[in-house]
Amino acid sequence: ETGVTQTPRHLVMGMTNKKSLKCEQHLGHNAMYWYKQSAKKPLELMFVYSLEERVENNSVPSRFSPECPNSSHLFLHLHTLQPEDSALYLCASSQGTGGIYEQYFGPGTRLTVT
Amino acid sequence: KQEVTQIPAALSVPEGENLVLNCSFTDSAIYNLQWFRQDPGKGLTSLLLIQSSQREQTSGRLNASLDKSSGRSTLYIAASQPGDSATYLCAVKPGGTSYGKLTFGQGTILTVHP
Repeated sequence: ETGVTQTPRHLVMGMTNKKSLKCEQHLGHNAMYWYKQSAKKPLELMFVYSLEERVENNSVPSRFSPECPNSSHLFLHLHTLQPEDSALYLCASSQGTGGIYEQYFGPGTRLTVT
Repeated sequence: KQEVTQIPAALSVPEGENLVLNCSFTDSAIYNLQWFRQDPGKGLTSLLLIQSSQREQTSGRLNASLDKSSGRSTLYIAASQPGDSATYLCAVKPGGTSYGKLTFGQGTILTVHP
């Protein structure tokens, strides 16, 4: 167990739905990340939060809205998604965002947009 | 823009073989390089992390080397076992203020036959 949990593990939603992905880390870390893993594409960083402040937004469409209410929880709010947004969404955490800190990943949420 | 390439894309070997996975990156100004393992439907597990000042790291049957100047890393797996079957991902972290941004390769899918 990596200490990073994600719910739900699987999600199917229509293009007009609104849903949220949840990530929780039990490692006492100060930084959290959202990544997207699409079929046949490398893992892509979406957002980075450090001490609950967003420090990186990697040109992600506004239909993805992150929220970090505290250092242990990270959400990804989804609305009016497109079929091409179907992917595995991975959450990660680290002690800090500096180069020396390793990132620990959760199991991911498999999202299917119909 | 940093690009990471992994070769081969897939590899199938009989149990007991020693094997090498390759990773190359275009920008040598990295802080560190990390090898991950991903099992189907699951998140990433960190295997080895090599700082830019290091040449190699070892953990059990795994050995990772780094040649920063040529933009290459290799992951050597000794005496492969069926339990080693997974996707292996290479990721680099840039130097400077990168806020933990990892750039991933597409991975090598490894299958070890009994």
